[in-house]
Amino acid sequence: ETGVTQTPRHLVMGMTNKKSLKCEQHLGHNAMYWYKQSAKKPLELMFVYSLEERVENNSVPSRFSPECPNSSHLFLHLHTLQPEDSALYLCASSQTAATGGSGYTFGSGTRLTVV
Amino acid sequence: GQNIDQPTEMTATEGAIVQINCTYQTSGFNGLFWYQQHAGEAPTFLSYNVLDGLEEKGRFSSFLSRSKGYSYLLLKELQMKDSASYLCAVRDMAGGSYIPTFGRGTSLIVHP
Repeated sequence: ETGVTQTPRHLVMGMTNKKSLKCEQHLGHNAMYWYKQSAKKPLELMFVYSLEERVENNSVPSRFSPECPNSSHLFLHLHTLQPEDSALYLCASSQTAATGGSGYTFGSGTRLTVV
Repeated sequence: GQNIDQPTEMTATEGAIVQINCTYQTSGFNGLFWYQQHAGEAPTFLSYNVLDGLEEKGRFSSFLSRSKGYSYLLLKELQMKDSASYLCAVRDMAGGSYIPTFGRGTSLIVHP
């Protein structure tokens, strides 16, 4: 248990489906993130919500839509995805966006396969 | 970007010492992180360096030279469970963001 819980662990969806990924943290952190991890590529930041900044990676397609209703929950809404969107989606949290010594706490990720 | 460079793969023997290097280019350096990620699992935080020098945590140590744009992660007394991917991440404040950029990671294989 890492303190950051992601559901579901695995998801297979068709290109016309709509699904949502959920992330929850009970660490009292004030910043939460979505990352995409593809084989042979660096972790890619998609979205961040924090008191200091709200960043959206402009290269993320609009078929990915984040929602952060409070500091403990983060969602990633998916619709009309493409096969190249198949990847491991990681949620993370940190005390603040400027955190250093304690780093980020990651969830175990959702393995997404788009068919 | 931060042009973060790490070796793709390294192998080492159980009980030995291994050094994983990370080089980077930034204009507003503000910290470097190391993470460990076992296959199919979440990355876990190992260390954070913002000042030059060596930080030691048990079998793991991390070194930083800001003038050289260079860091390394040193793993001593290697164990089979140390087989994992090691991710270097750099925070560059030049763009006004605290969010670090990750390298591609180094896959370490420890064999008996």
